Amino acid sequence: GAVVSQHPSRVICKSGTSVKIECRSLDFQATTMFWYRQFPKQSLMLMATSNEGSKATYEQGVEKDKFLINHASLTLSTLTVTSAHPEDSSFYICSAEEAQGGTDTQYFGPGTRLTVL
Amino acid sequence: KQEVTQIPAALSVPEGENLVLNCSFTDSAIYNLQWFRQDPGKGLTSLLLIQSSQREQTSGRLNASLDKSSGRSTLYIAASQPGDSATYLCAATGNQFYFGTGTSLTVIP
Repeated sequence: GAVVSQHPSRVICKSGTSVKIECRSLDFQATTMFWYRQFPKQSLMLMATSNEGSKATYEQGVEKDKFLINHASLTLSTLTVTSAHPEDSSFYICSAEEAQGGTDTQYFGPGTRLTVL
Repeated sequence: KQEVTQIPAALSVPEGENLVLNCSFTDSAIYNLQWFRQDPGKGLTSLLLIQSSQREQTSGRLNASLDKSSGRSTLYIAASQPGDSATYLCAATGNQFYFGTGTSLTVIP
């Protein structure tokens, strides 16, 4: 099956720094990628929808200037958490939707655990 | 490695019927079990979250149960409506997410 990778899998950073998380579709092209986050003991929540070559669409309550999303190619989307604070500590997961076949199947990355000190 | 399976893969029911979607997982060491809805071209919508210490959660017409010992969770949808048509995913959370294979539901008016 299709594989989606995320890098890094874990990151610990100091408050005020920026962290970039990469999401790659390894064996298929994805026009659409989704970014989610999950706080402890809470549901996984959609943050934004990223379409290749266009601006991301953010869910209500997600700050677009804080969570910068770039989807520069059909196989790569990046999420940058700018000026990270401890409350941004969370599990971030991406998914990628295949560009063809009409399957509407999303393939999920393994996630990135961010800890902000 | 955790494996999450959903049965059936596809389901078609007439409007008004009650239905059950099944999710099974191989490793009972989970933090929680979540159910999601996926509409074509859209991100996942979280439906219900069951912590590992809980046995069920309810929201409106939806009820989800969790039996860790048997590695099973069910999503019960009462009085189905055409708007319920979507793909339903379950996910077991351990050190990472393990998503099920999904059940495609069609509710016929």
